[in-house]
Amino acid sequence: GDSVTQMEGPVTLSEEAFLTINCTYTATGYPSLFWYVQYPGEGLQLLLKATKADDKGSNKGFEATYRKETTSFHLEKGSVQVSDSAVYFCALSLGSSASKIIFGSGTRLSIRP
Amino acid sequence: GAVVSQHPSWVICKSGTSVKIECRSLDFQATTMFWYRQFPKQSLMLMATSNEGSKATYEQGVEKDKFLINHASLTLSTLTVTSAHPEDSSFYICSASGAGGETQYFGPGTRLLVL
Repeated sequence: GDSVTQMEGPVTLSEEAFLTINCTYTATGYPSLFWYVQYPGEGLQLLLKATKADDKGSNKGFEATYRKETTSFHLEKGSVQVSDSAVYFCALSLGSSASKIIFGSGTRLSIRP
Repeated sequence: GAVVSQHPSWVICKSGTSVKIECRSLDFQATTMFWYRQFPKQSLMLMATSNEGSKATYEQGVEKDKFLINHASLTLSTLTVTSAHPEDSSFYICSASGAGGETQYFGPGTRLLVL
């Protein structure tokens, strides 16, 4: 069945470090791919999305490219900040984001000052 | 941005009792609401999808008589865990999308502990 696998956390980095959180997926059809972020005490927020192969989603300095050949959607940021500390979820949907969403297990990111 | 609230944020109850969790869209009309369940260090698992004024659609393996969902208005959906047992202890998260259907907005979640 359809699934999302992302790297286990927690991930701890120093401020201004380069971030990569790996995400791979298995899906029938052509999914849309998402990264959601959950800051402490808040609900999940859509961080970025890509709806077709080779699309790049970007927001707040984060980027992820939809790679069909490797079924991946890795999240990257060139220079992380303390305020980026949160849990990050990779997800897919076979429709729009208002359709059923399948989530990865989440990766907790902590940034040291 | 659109805001979704949940109440309560956490609840402790005795085994055998029923618990109701509310999900509200505060500044938009939610034509579709989703209920998820999350176990520690695991993914969010979709339990059911509800459209305002109609019966919820449950995912395979989710007991509809155990988890009652009501979406009676465009701003409120409720999840009632009936005759709760310790194995129902979990983190329950709702989300909502408007008529445009492009984005799901998530609530902060409700932590349920059944003793």
